[in-house]
Amino acid sequence: EDQVTQSPEALRLQEGESSSLNCSYTVSGLRGLFWYRQDPGKGPEFLFTLYSAGEEKEKERLKATLTKKESFLHITAPKPEDSATYLCAVQAIPKDSSYKLIFGSGTRLLVRP
Amino acid sequence: DSGVTQTPKHLITATGQRVTLRCSPRSGDLSVYWYQQSLDQGLQFLIQYYNGEERAKGNILERFSAQQFPDLHSELNLSSLELGDSALYFCASSVGRGPPTDTQYFGPGTRLTVL
Repeated sequence: EDQVTQSPEALRLQEGESSSLNCSYTVSGLRGLFWYRQDPGKGPEFLFTLYSAGEEKEKERLKATLTKKESFLHITAPKPEDSATYLCAVQAIPKDSSYKLIFGSGTRLLVRP
Repeated sequence: DSGVTQTPKHLITATGQRVTLRCSPRSGDLSVYWYQQSLDQGLQFLIQYYNGEERAKGNILERFSAQQFPDLHSELNLSSLELGDSALYFCASSVGRGPPTDTQYFGPGTRLTVL
């Protein structure tokens, strides 16, 4: 069964304190791995898509990397406005023509000033 | 703003009732997905439509149904509501033709409260 596990569940950082969020996955065949940011009561906001092991993408203070079993979201010198829940999702090679996403439970990040 | 719109933002209703949630995808997107997010389950895929046709079903209850209209907007119908149906319901859309254009963009959601 396709599965996504994120760790830690929650992370508290001081402003400027860099860290990484982990997303490990088990899928029959990976089509793509997605990172989203979600603020309370809002819809997930797309951050990155990674398609193959070794791929990296960056956006401001965020950098996402991908291996064959997991993905990391590195946050460099975070600011309070980076506080949110970060969701990882995988899209498996479809057996039913679906491009549905399978989500992890997320990491709640709190960055203190 | 993702370009995906959902109405209403909030819905409060009673057990046993029926409600309809509406979603308009981004301009040019042919696929619409519905997801349910509850505190204990996280984001769960319900159903996908592509250009008016049902493409895939996930953990969608028989009391729930959806459709996509010729103008590509979609509606999710929830009937015989139970307390456990209280959740955030998200719609997402994508072009639907495969990478790199199949990124899903989410709407702001509809918060359903069943009393």
